[in-house]
Amino acid sequence: GQQVMQIPQYQHVQEGEDFTTYCNSSTTLSNIQWYKQRPGGHPVFLIQLVKSGEVKKQKRLTFQFGEAKKNSSLHITATQTTDVGTYFCAGLWSGGSNYKLTFGKGTLLTVNP
Amino acid sequence: DGGITQSPKYLFRKEGQNVTLSCEQNLNHDAMYWYRQDPGQGLRLIYYSQIVNDFQKGDIAEGYSVSREKKESFPLTVTSAQKNPTAFYLCASSRAFSYNEQFFGPGTRLTVL
Repeated sequence: GQQVMQIPQYQHVQEGEDFTTYCNSSTTLSNIQWYKQRPGGHPVFLIQLVKSGEVKKQKRLTFQFGEAKKNSSLHITATQTTDVGTYFCAGLWSGGSNYKLTFGKGTLLTVNP
Repeated sequence: DGGITQSPKYLFRKEGQNVTLSCEQNLNHDAMYWYRQDPGQGLRLIYYSQIVNDFQKGDIAEGYSVSREKKESFPLTVTSAQKNPTAFYLCASSRAFSYNEQFFGPGTRLTVL
């Protein structure tokens, strides 16, 4: 089946440093979603990207969708301890009657205060 | 408040017993999903339902069963045929199948002894 590869698996940063997680698909995506899961919590939707080359910002978070719609990234500027958690991308491929969202394995971000 | 509820939060069962996990939503969403989360594995789709009285197998359906008799309810039964049932189980819903953001419940952590 379709897969999204997400790297890195873990990232530890000092508070104030930047952080980026990357998501890649071998085939063209229809759209991609990003979720955040705090430790002990459940995933919470952050954003959906649909258009080729799309860039969206949410305060210190910047989301990008590649021109070929095969990759995406989430960049956090000046991390804070509240950013701790696992960030998942989830890809959707068009075609077929039962296409479904497929999650990457996530990037666990820890922040040292 | 609208949302998704899962009960119980923690569940312990003896090996060989079937167990049913509850998932209820009052968001009036058509689509509902069950995921399994293991450390380092991300979220893997067990079953999904696009509409009431309909459901399909996800990527890891073996040893699980579901029903969707009511729009707001999507219970998951973990049967004795599931070889490694100990995991964190997440239920989610979305307004429409796959395309829209998914809202997750708080999860049930199942431990089979």
